[in-house]
Amino acid sequence: QKEVEQNSGPLSVPEGAIASLNCTYSDRGSQSFFWYRQYSGKSPELIMSIYSNGDKEDGRFTAQLNKASQYVSLLIRDSQPSDSATYLCAVKGDGGATNKLIFGTGTLLAVQP
Amino acid sequence: DGGITQSPKYLFRKEGQNVTLSCEQNLNHDAMYWYRQDPGQGLRLIYYSQIVNDFQKGDIAEGYSVSREKKESFPLTVTSAQKNPTAFYLCASSIGGDYTEAFFGQGTRLTVV
Repeated sequence: QKEVEQNSGPLSVPEGAIASLNCTYSDRGSQSFFWYRQYSGKSPELIMSIYSNGDKEDGRFTAQLNKASQYVSLLIRDSQPSDSATYLCAVKGDGGATNKLIFGTGTLLAVQP
Repeated sequence: DGGITQSPKYLFRKEGQNVTLSCEQNLNHDAMYWYRQDPGQGLRLIYYSQIVNDFQKGDIAEGYSVSREKKESFPLTVTSAQKNPTAFYLCASSIGGDYTEAFFGQGTRLTVV
């Protein structure tokens, strides 16, 4: 079982729609969860962090965490073509190592104008 | 300006040669990371360091070596033992500890010729 799993996509949504990205993780001891956006050929950019169960909103982005079910999701409202990128889920504290930061393989999002 | 600097941006290596990738940060971060990314893939952890003079292997450490003699610097050496070194290499840093975020440098694209 992979430590952090994401659907590779591509996930295609029309402009203005809500994009929903999902991630599951295997280590129940993980404490910190992150979403990064990566444009082709560029380095990842942090867009959201979440540490406790529930929802966290920042502009058009909402991160959701459910530790009991071991999943974290990212919602992007009013999707724009500029949101087209690969979204990487990352989990910290894997295997009891506080600073070990593990990434999923990423979901490619395509927003159609 | 505070940030993470990776150099060079592009690097070409002949087969059988060792090569060292530089990563420097002036954010006063304790934790530093090296990842490898292959085309269409996620980030795989090579090595990480939580404090000076200490580092741990990630999931794909074979054929790589690191040092952490200074807080600001975490160089990665790709040795001749790494059979398929062509990839995009990303360095990241974090304050360290639970509930802290990691930020990335621009990356180094290594090609074996």
